[in-house]
Amino acid sequence: LAKTTQPISMDSYEGQEVNITCSHNNIATNDYITWYQQFPSQGPRFIIQGYKTKVTNEVASLFIPADRKSSTLSLPRVSLSDTAVYYCLVGDIPFRRGGYNKLIFGAGTRLAVHP
Amino acid sequence: GAVVSQHPSRVICKSGTSVKIECRSLDFQATTMFWYRQFPKKSLMLMATSNEGSKATYEQGVEKDKFLINHASLTLSTLTVTSAHPEDSSFYICSAGTGDGYTFGSGTRLTVV
Repeated sequence: LAKTTQPISMDSYEGQEVNITCSHNNIATNDYITWYQQFPSQGPRFIIQGYKTKVTNEVASLFIPADRKSSTLSLPRVSLSDTAVYYCLVGDIPFRRGGYNKLIFGAGTRLAVHP
Repeated sequence: GAVVSQHPSRVICKSGTSVKIECRSLDFQATTMFWYRQFPKKSLMLMATSNEGSKATYEQGVEKDKFLINHASLTLSTLTVTSAHPEDSSFYICSAGTGDGYTFGSGTRLTVV
C-alpha cells in the first residue's frame, strides 16, 4: 500500500473553502484514492474516492493531477460541523481484486473550523 | 448504504475481567471484518483481519491470546479483550468490507479501572 503524507493540522473559518493535500508518491497503477472523515469518538466515514482528474459529490471534491502523486480534498464553505480528522488512503479497491485489502491509516489531518 | 452496528458504545470494566465487543452487519454479509484500536489524538491502528469461518490474522505486536476475535457468521464478528488491564483502555473500531468499499462501526470506548 502506498504511503501517504498529509499536514498534521489545519485551521479555517466558517464559510471558507478548505483544501487538504495528500502526497502519495508511490501510488500504483491500480490504486484509488479514498478520503475518510472521523469525528471524535466515532468511526471513520467515507467522503469521496477517485482515480484521476476530478470527482465531485454532495460533500466534497477531489482533485487528482495527471501524475497522481498527490490529491487534494476540497471542502466548500466549511461549517463548525466539519471540524474533524480527515484521512487520505491509497490502495486498490476491493472488487477489483476479489478480496479486501487492509486499510492502513496514516496520521490524518486535524481540521479545526472556527466561528 | 451498508451499516455496521457496534456494541457497546462504551464500557467500563475492572482490571482482570474480560470484555466482549460485537459488530453486526445489518444489511449485507460481511465476509471480512477488520478490528482497529485508536488511542487519544492518534490514528487508527489495525489489530487484526477476520474472515468468516477462519481464524483471524493478527498484525505484528498484537497478542492473539489477549484479543480474541470470532467471526463465526456472515453478520457477526466479536472482539473479546481478555484479562483487561488499564493499558488496554482505548477506542476500538470494527470495519467490514461491503462489496465495493468499507464501512465502519461507531466504535467502543473501553475504560479499564
